[in-house]
Amino acid sequence: DTEVTQTPKHLVMGMTNKKSLKCEQHMGHRAMYWYKQKAKKPPELMFVYSYEKLSINESVPSRFSPECPNSSLLNLHLHALQPEDSALYLCASSHVQGVNEQFFGPGTRLTVL
Amino acid sequence: AQSVTQPDIHITVSEGASLELRCNYSYGATPYLFWYVQSPGQGLQLLLKYFSGDTLVQGIKGFEAEFKRSQSSFNLRKPSVHWSDAAEYFCAVVSSGTYKYIFGTGTRLKVLA
Repeated sequence: DTEVTQTPKHLVMGMTNKKSLKCEQHMGHRAMYWYKQKAKKPPELMFVYSYEKLSINESVPSRFSPECPNSSLLNLHLHALQPEDSALYLCASSHVQGVNEQFFGPGTRLTVL
Repeated sequence: AQSVTQPDIHITVSEGASLELRCNYSYGATPYLFWYVQSPGQGLQLLLKYFSGDTLVQGIKGFEAEFKRSQSSFNLRKPSVHWSDAAEYFCAVVSSGTYKYIFGTGTRLKVLA
């Protein structure tokens, strides 16, 4: 299995809602990443988990809360988002955090009303 | 500071024509370079990577790239473009220390039938 899966594919939420994005990989990778991508822009790194521990937080607002329950699963909990948070949210994984290729999931298209 | 530049925002080629997408990097040591492709609304797929060794790298879907240290370039090429190659292409370098990807701004490829 060489893929990263993400659910849901699309999500529409109000500014007062709480929702979660899910990412899963079964490649035995020990580094997992969340990226945010706005239209016609490159992905922007949000968080990195290495061996299930938060390694990098790119000064992301606290309304985004990541969680890594185990080595295969990565969640992004969303609360009180703003319309400008609407974007494609990409998950990626790599063998370890280092000079490795990252494998990307298809993304979750998030719309905040 | 490390950076990646993709000088061409848009490129249009006819199907069957050759393609070259430019990527220039700014990096002090030996760079670790990647090319990714992204179809609309999808995740990123790795086309090829350069870590060391042979400066001409072969990738998937008939793509190749040549690392030229003297020009700080890692240009992507394909001898004959197919309509399905229409997509956004990102060049990236791995930053030292943090191992974060630094992406270029992307090149959008349009293929004319």
